Amino acid sequence: SQQGEEDPQALSIQEGENATMNCSYKTSINNLQWYRQNSGRGLVHLILIRSNEREKHSGRLRVTLDTSKKSSSLLITASRAADTASYFCATAPPGSNYKLTFGKGTLLTVNP
Amino acid sequence: EPEVTQTPSHQVTQMGQEVILRCVPISNHLYFYWYRQILGQKVEFLVSFYNNEISEKSEIFDDQFSVERPDGSNFTLKIRSTKLEDSAMYFCASRGFEQYFGPGTRLTVT
Repeated sequence: SQQGEEDPQALSIQEGENATMNCSYKTSINNLQWYRQNSGRGLVHLILIRSNEREKHSGRLRVTLDTSKKSSSLLITASRAADTASYFCATAPPGSNYKLTFGKGTLLTVNP
Repeated sequence: EPEVTQTPSHQVTQMGQEVILRCVPISNHLYFYWYRQILGQKVEFLVSFYNNEISEKSEIFDDQFSVERPDGSNFTLKIRSTKLEDSAMYFCASRGFEQYFGPGTRLTVT
């Protein structure tokens, strides 16, 4: 089964707009993490939300988690051209030693 | 801010050669990981390491792969006899509470 599937696969918006990306997963989790990857570069940790949390904020980022629907969303407000990147959610089931399973990601393009 | 570092940033090697990819995890972290990302594909888990031993490995991590923590700071991934399909970006990660990734080593096997 696929774990950590993001949608949409690609999203193109104008600078200043908000961007929302979604992630669905199949197994129970300890936490869910969002990462950003600029083209061909490393993975930058954005935010972690625990399974007992419903919402978390960090700067322009807002993450929600609905464990009943096994889904999460990442909202980037007031987007900037520098936010252009791929965004991944990653999950680790309980007892997995935090072995992360990544989705294919959402490619966000923010046009100036 | 502490960060995971990796060297080299890019390694080109011939098929059949051995490569060693190096990582320096964040100093107070105890859990270490290697992942890889073949171009255009998902990031895939390879192996996790804790208390000087492998705690879990994936099907990809066969006998050609090994990991080592030779001293108190470095964490290495060795591929004994590289294949063309080993070409990928290899990421090291370490974990305290959150898992932080290094910038990656791009391995090209020719």
